Amino acid sequence: GQNIDQPTEMTATEGAIVQINCTYQTSGFNGLFWYQQHAGEAPTFLSYNVLDGLEEKGRFSSFLSRSKGYSYLLLKELQMKDSASYLCARGGNTPLVFGKGTRLSVIA
Amino acid sequence: DTGVSQDPRHKITKRGQNVTFRCDPISEHNRLYWYRQTLGQGPEFLTYFQNEAQLEKSRLLSDRFSAERPKGSFSTLEIQRTEQGDSAMYLCASSPGPTWVTEAFFGQGTRLTVV
Repeated sequence: GQNIDQPTEMTATEGAIVQINCTYQTSGFNGLFWYQQHAGEAPTFLSYNVLDGLEEKGRFSSFLSRSKGYSYLLLKELQMKDSASYLCARGGNTPLVFGKGTRLSVIA
Repeated sequence: DTGVSQDPRHKITKRGQNVTFRCDPISEHNRLYWYRQTLGQGPEFLTYFQNEAQLEKSRLLSDRFSAERPKGSFSTLEIQRTEQGDSAMYLCASSPGPTWVTEAFFGQGTRLTVV
């Protein structure tokens, strides 16, 4: 997906913190979005970053560095229900372009 | 408003048949998108509408695919002469516009299986 890279799979323990990284092509960039997708369901919006820095929303935070073409999603106090795919999507002057997603497994 | 709705949720068809999917976006949203998603992949952009105008089409959208949004409300995606490679989840999304820095809301998708 237009040079959007994120790890394919990650595993983390219930109660822990996990960071999911995403790198993207910087040309024409206009915003970085994170979506959560449970198996067989639609993607649901989590957060977006337009400016550099950290955006916090409860247990989820997202960080952006525009100069580095880099973002991460931070999930704290992991719960079993957080097991899902996390999609990084790049906004520009076009519809969202998605990465392949990171499948997160939360284990007890 | 109950969000973006898609119909049907599942469709099984024989190779060579035509299929049509419907999407009803959130009512005040003037942008509507179609994406396709296969197992283990992220959604791939197919096409989008600003009101009734189809403004962009992906290279993925072969001439067997056609999409319409006749009155700027619901949209249909038709696939003619289906092939096994068309088997995928077809997702519809909408957003309010006019800027691009706004989240898109997705429907539950239509899962197509071509046998």
